[in-house]
Amino acid sequence: GEDVEQSLFLSVREGDSSVINCTYTDSSSTYLYWYKQEPGAGLQLLTYIFSNMDMKQDQRLTVLLNKKDKHLSLRIADTQTGDSAIYFCAESKGNKLVFGAGTILRVKS
Amino acid sequence: EAGVAQSPRYKIIEKRQSVAFWCNPISGHATLYWYQQILGQGPKLLIQFQNNGVVDDSQLPKDRFSAERLKGVDSTLKIQPAKLEDSAVYLCASSLDLRHYEQYFGPGTRLLVL
Repeated sequence: GEDVEQSLFLSVREGDSSVINCTYTDSSSTYLYWYKQEPGAGLQLLTYIFSNMDMKQDQRLTVLLNKKDKHLSLRIADTQTGDSAIYFCAESKGNKLVFGAGTILRVKS
Repeated sequence: EAGVAQSPRYKIIEKRQSVAFWCNPISGHATLYWYQQILGQGPKLLIQFQNNGVVDDSQLPKDRFSAERLKGVDSTLKIQPAKLEDSAVYLCASSLDLRHYEQYFGPGTRLLVL
């Protein structure tokens, strides 16, 4: 099965908060990441969290890490139509990143 | 600062043909990555270079895929011969060094094998 699992789809209204969830398998992962991919584009690093942290906040983005449950979440406050994209969770494994299959976020105006 | 450049952006070939993709990383970035992203999936690492040396090619199908980064700057990924299942987006990324959280991605090359 997938090393990193994410739900497939999330739909929210503009102005609401979005929460995208991810579970990973490697408890020794040093860093966990969130990337954003817009149609026809490459991946853009949004934020990352070091494994010894519980939370990281960066403007509208909040990352929560539950290391015991190997659960990572990304909260986007005041979601805008420009936030519509695919969001990928990734964990570090040795020298490489292992990505989930992505969560499609649709923002309705 | 210019981003990661890739060409071509799109390629359509028939199975058993050959194809090559080119990547120019951000200037000064020592580490270069090639990923394969199949529709509906996350990117999967194919090969990772540090300067002109290979760090990890464990997931590269070496019977048909090859990659090089001879001068430690730009890189070429080749598929010969292509199969239908190679249809995907091939993403190139670079980072200043082996610290993963600074990976910058190019726009990708979309390959369709008919």
